[in-house]
Amino acid sequence: NAGVTQTPKFQVLKTGQSMTLQCAQDMNHEYMSWYRQDPGMGLRLIHYSVGAGITDQGEVPNGYNVSRSTTEDFPLRLLSAAPSQTSVYFCASSPKIRDGEQFFGPGTRLTVL
Amino acid sequence: EDQVTQSPEALRLQEGESSSLNCSYTVSGLRGLFWYRQDPGKGPEFLFTLYSAGEEKEKERLKATLTKKESFLHITAPKPEDSATYLCAVQRTHDMRFGAGTRLTVKP
Repeated sequence: NAGVTQTPKFQVLKTGQSMTLQCAQDMNHEYMSWYRQDPGMGLRLIHYSVGAGITDQGEVPNGYNVSRSTTEDFPLRLLSAAPSQTSVYFCASSPKIRDGEQFFGPGTRLTVL
Repeated sequence: EDQVTQSPEALRLQEGESSSLNCSYTVSGLRGLFWYRQDPGKGPEFLFTLYSAGEEKEKERLKATLTKKESFLHITAPKPEDSATYLCAVQRTHDMRFGAGTRLTVKP
């Protein structure tokens, strides 16, 4: 199993550009989530999904969209990038959220100029 | 509002010098408390889950404990390879809230 994979590893955008961060898992996990990690602030939840076709907002959803058309994939879209979205983004999955143990991807480091 | 606070922010230890990391929380309806380890440039890696006050879990030099208001991660006789950021998180109905982490450095 590859676990949770994320692409790209690094990305530089200009303000106003849009892009999609890719996340895939091959463990047949129901629950998937996106976090951003900023210095001194820990991991903050952006969006999550409890199954294919079901998504919901987390703590900091503004400026981001998600969809979950398959169990395996959970892409995160930045609609119009802003410097405040400069961060490290992590995708995670778990069999069910009640199981608690989340498997994290390696992260995407995004810089918005 | 649910909060998770970790202390200290950073901790420097000599190899073999035992210590504890603290995670205090205020959350309604705690469904579980989790500890993760994060190495630089990598995603967090799961360590422990604790569900009820009084519960303890151990793994090598690490032991996690839980009370009604806080959790401790005890590190006994640490080695340089234990250097990492340790994150705690509380599980809510549909998501988890993380603390900011404690950055541990163990010097040989």
